[in-house]
Amino acid sequence: LAKTTQPISMDSYEGQEVNITCSHNNIATNDYITWYQQFPSQGPRFIIQGYKTKVTNEVASLFIPADRKSSTLSLPRVSLSDTAVYYCLVGDSYGGSQGNLIFGKGTKLSVKP
Amino acid sequence: ETGVTQTPRHLVMGMTNKKSLKCEQHLGHNAMYWYKQSAKKPLELMFVYNFKEQTENNSVPSRFSPECPNSSHLFLHLHTLQPEDSALYLCASSQATVEQFFGPGTRLTVL
Repeated sequence: LAKTTQPISMDSYEGQEVNITCSHNNIATNDYITWYQQFPSQGPRFIIQGYKTKVTNEVASLFIPADRKSSTLSLPRVSLSDTAVYYCLVGDSYGGSQGNLIFGKGTKLSVKP
Repeated sequence: ETGVTQTPRHLVMGMTNKKSLKCEQHLGHNAMYWYKQSAKKPLELMFVYNFKEQTENNSVPSRFSPECPNSSHLFLHLHTLQPEDSALYLCASSQATVEQFFGPGTRLTVL
């Protein structure tokens, strides 16, 4: 199982760009990289998923270098409502290994006014 | 609203009670999951069901008993729990992708 390592916490201010990096040195060929966001007392919410290079959606961007041993979630112009825990997960995207997703401790992002 | 609902949202029970948590998804997904999240701990995967068959049981004590009668419903039956079982219990579903859709959770308190 590919293990991930990310910072325990980060602080930012409103309007800044926030980059959270995740290390996954043992990522397998079939593994995708997925990021989730979780607010207190709620279930995690999918943010973005990628395999390699760069992926962008309306919420965030995901940068993945060629060796895929790390990834960076980029949140443009954060607001107070982006204060949450962000999880980086690595796992197989196809069928039978549904249970091999491991949520780590995540990165607690605190956005200040 | 993710399409995954959980009831009840809050539950307080004594150690000798029997209760059940319910999860329902209307997304047409074929996999459903139970997670436990204790205070200041990461999510712990408890059970996984694929096409109604249990495919993962991560050494969960027998006082937790899952049931998946069909692809849309998942239950977690609780019996003689301990105070340390107090946590947020999250249900999720997915359709053969890494993206899991989570319900709002049930906040369980065991007295």
